[in-house]
Amino acid sequence: AQKVTQAQTEISVVEKEDVTLDCVYETRDTTYYLFWYKQPPSGELVFLIRRNSFDEQNEISGRYSWNFQKSTSSFNFTITASQVVDSAVYFCALVNNNDMRFGAGTRLTVKP
Amino acid sequence: ETGVTQTPRHLVMGMTNKKSLKCEQHLGHNAMYWYKQSAKKPLELMFVYSLEERVENNSVPSRFSPECPNSSHLFLHLHTLQPEDSALYLCASSPGLAGGAPYEQYFGPGTRLTVT
Repeated sequence: AQKVTQAQTEISVVEKEDVTLDCVYETRDTTYYLFWYKQPPSGELVFLIRRNSFDEQNEISGRYSWNFQKSTSSFNFTITASQVVDSAVYFCALVNNNDMRFGAGTRLTVKP
Repeated sequence: ETGVTQTPRHLVMGMTNKKSLKCEQHLGHNAMYWYKQSAKKPLELMFVYSLEERVENNSVPSRFSPECPNSSHLFLHLHTLQPEDSALYLCASSPGLAGGAPYEQYFGPGTRLTVT
């Protein structure tokens, strides 16, 4: 069975700090896709990134970066120089053949 | 502004009521989804529709009945719910359901359902 674990339930940082959100997944398949979504207080999840299991290249998008390591089954998300607007719940998800598994989410609070 | 709208945003219903949740996507997508989000639990995929056909039903109780009359609209009909069904119900859409690479999903703001 596929599973996604986000061990950090809540994280609180002060603005401008860097923060890393952990995501560990379990799957027996060799082909799968990993996603990160952001859920601001308004409720709708917003897509951030998608990676396939054959592409371990790390990605950077502005202040956001993702570290995909198949050896440890992890797909961690780092926000550099955090801002108050980054406050949200962040979800990691594992998708394979229409089987979608989300982690429980990490609530990030960025204080001014 | 999100291309996926959901109504109502909030709903309170008794266990004997019948109500429906509505989702509409304005993105020209072919796949739509219902999720249940309960406090401190992972997001649960309930139903998946592709081109108006149901392709996934994740062991959801029959008191939840989905309907997809066309690719832009998705309904979730509710009847004789239980208090533990209180949750945020999210609708999402995606361009399609490719057999290989899954598309990212676009979510609506959700309907906050309270069953009394």
